[in-house]
Amino acid sequence: DAKTTQPTSMDCAEGRAANLPCNHSTISGNEYVYWYRQIHSQGPQYIIHGLKNNETNEMASLIITEDRKSSTLILPHATLRDTAVYYCIVRWRAGGTSYGKLTFGQGTILTVHP
Amino acid sequence: EAGVVQSPRYKIIEKKQPVAFWCNPISGHNTLYWYRQNLGQGPELLIRYENEEAVDDSQLPKDRFSAERLKGVDSTLKIQPAELGDSAVYLCASSGARSTDTQYFGPGTRLTVL
Repeated sequence: DAKTTQPTSMDCAEGRAANLPCNHSTISGNEYVYWYRQIHSQGPQYIIHGLKNNETNEMASLIITEDRKSSTLILPHATLRDTAVYYCIVRWRAGGTSYGKLTFGQGTILTVHP
Repeated sequence: EAGVVQSPRYKIIEKKQPVAFWCNPISGHNTLYWYRQNLGQGPELLIRYENEEAVDDSQLPKDRFSAERLKGVDSTLKIQPAELGDSAVYLCASSGARSTDTQYFGPGTRLTVL
C-alpha cells in the first residue's frame, strides 16, 4: 500500500477553514484517498474519499492534485467539535490480499481553539 | 439507522485470564473487520470477514487470539490467555458487499490487562 505523510499536529481558530495536507507520492492508479477522523474515546469516523476528482460532502471537501501525489482535506468552518486526529489513507481498490484494506498511519492531531 | 454496536465498552482483567468482545455490524453489511489500536497509534487490522469466511487473518496472533462470525452477522473476538501487551482498544467495523465499500466503525472496547 502507498504510504502517506501528514503533519503531526495543526491548530485552527474556530470558524476558520482547516486545511489538512497529506502526501502520498507513491500512490498508484488503483488506490483511493480516504479520510477518517477519530475524536477522543470514539471509533474512527468516515469523512470523505476520492480517486482523481475533487469531492465535497456535508462534512468536508477533498482536493486531490492533478498528479495525485498529494491531497488536502478542507473543513470549511471548523468548530470545537472538530478537534480530533485526522487520518489520510490510501486504499487499494483492485484484487489481492490488500483489497479494500485500510492502513492507518499516525494521523494529524487537529486542535480547534476558540 | 443503528451503527456498529460493540460490547463491552470497557474491560479490566488480570493477565492469563480469557476475554471476549462482541460486535454487531450495520444491518446488511456482509464484510466485518476487527482492528486493534494501541495507545497513540492508528488502528491495525486483525481480521476481515466476508460473510462467515475469514478472508484475511494474516495479522491475527493465532496462538492466543481467535474470532468467529457464525451465521455471517455478529462476531466475537477472543483472547486466551490475555497478556499485559494486549491492553488496547479493540475496534469493529463493517462495510457493504464490496471490500472497497466504506468502512464504518463501532465505538470500540477498551481492554486493560493488569
